[in-house]
Amino acid sequence: QVQLKESGPGLVQPSETLSLTCTVSGFSLTSYSVSWVRQPSGKGPEWMGRMWYDGDTAYNSALKSRLSISRDTSKNQVFLKMNSLQTDDTGTYYCTRDPLPGYSGNWFAYWGQGTLVTVSS
Amino acid sequence: DIVLTQSPALAVSLEQRATISCKTSQNVDNYGISYMHWYQQKPGQQPKLLIYEGSNLASGIPARFSGSGSGTDFTLTIDPVEADDIATYYCQQSKDYPFTFGSGTKLEIK
Repeated sequence: QVQLKESGPGLVQPSETLSLTCTVSGFSLTSYSVSWVRQPSGKGPEWMGRMWYDGDTAYNSALKSRLSISRDTSKNQVFLKMNSLQTDDTGTYYCTRDPLPGYSGNWFAYWGQGTLVTVSS
Repeated sequence: DIVLTQSPALAVSLEQRATISCKTSQNVDNYGISYMHWYQQKPGQQPKLLIYEGSNLASGIPARFSGSGSGTDFTLTIDPVEADDIATYYCQQSKDYPFTFGSGTKLEIK
């Protein structure tokens, strides 16, 4: 079945770079697009960006200067790197999958369990 | 960016109807499709898709949940409300980048 699992450091120092990995199973990254969504505690989610099935990327303009999303299709992994972290980057980070293969509706049908990232010295 | 506005909380009695609203700062319809989606999130869990494209029920979601609306005004209805529905509900638009979410409506029992 479709599974997504986020992994990465739980604690990041201010001004440092966050690196997260989303490992997927049950589908191919060359058929389905994967997005990163984050959520500060007690607040609504924020779409960060996506890796399209064809390898193209799209980013939230608010984060674009700090954010990079890449993938390794042979390992079924999607990566997030974001630099210059501040305390307001603290929250739970999710990877999500589009509902259908190819260019499909931009809603999030499958979610990983999320990984909590705390930015603190 | 398109801003989605939701009321912070809604209190309803069990077995009654809950109506959760989401208002957008711009029209999120295009070619007859409403690019509005709804999610349920329980504490400590990831969001769960309920409704996509305004009114389509996601797979495995009970028919007690329904979505309606168009343009800038959308509604998620739960009828009747069950105890398991206690959660926070978020709307999300995909009409324009960046995709944006509302701040959530917490459903509480009277």
